[in-house]
Amino acid sequence: DVKVTQSSRYLVKRTGEKVFLECVQDMDHENMFWYRQDPGLGLRLIYFSYDVKMKEKGDIPEGYSVSREKKERFSLILESASTNQTSMYLCASSFKGGANTGELFFGEGSRLTVL
Amino acid sequence: AQSVTQPDIHITVSEGASLELRCNYSYGATPYLFWYVQSPGQGLQLLLKYFSGDTLVQGIKGFEAEFKRSQSSFNLRKPSVHWSDAAEYFCAARRATNKLIFGTGTLLAVQP
Repeated sequence: DVKVTQSSRYLVKRTGEKVFLECVQDMDHENMFWYRQDPGLGLRLIYFSYDVKMKEKGDIPEGYSVSREKKERFSLILESASTNQTSMYLCASSFKGGANTGELFFGEGSRLTVL
Repeated sequence: AQSVTQPDIHITVSEGASLELRCNYSYGATPYLFWYVQSPGQGLQLLLKYFSGDTLVQGIKGFEAEFKRSQSSFNLRKPSVHWSDAAEYFCAARRATNKLIFGTGTLLAVQP
């Protein structure tokens, strides 16, 4: 089975801290995605990557950056956390054609609270 | 703008009853359409997908969905709901940029 692992299920950070959310997939997927999930807003795409060292902005990239140094790992970085970044963050991956087919495999999520 | 709408935020059904979750999309052409399910504390899992052809598609866990072009809808159905179906359900569509856009979700509660 495909496994997408997010390193932290729950994090509590303070305003202004730098936050790293890590995601690792074990199926050699080319594509990786970071979504943010908020009640009433569904899932919104922050960033995605189609290859190592490649990244593209999604719909809400402001305040975030990403890093993909290895194929299996995709990190989301909050340079200076703010309270409006309190949310559930979901990582997903797919095969190269999977982004077209919509078959994404999701991690269990990282719930971030910024105080 | 392309969008996916799930008009029902929350639905409660009795165990054994039938279920229909609504999804509407706005696109110029027929998009690729999907339903995902998120159980409590879990990530999302793909239930089913529609690309073309037969407008009634079968998925996992006994779910099916019907694509109706005239109504711009892709509603999810199940004939008999089980308590384990309690979850949040997301409709999604692939945009022209090859990214998915998700609806806001419908939270399903199942009464004994």
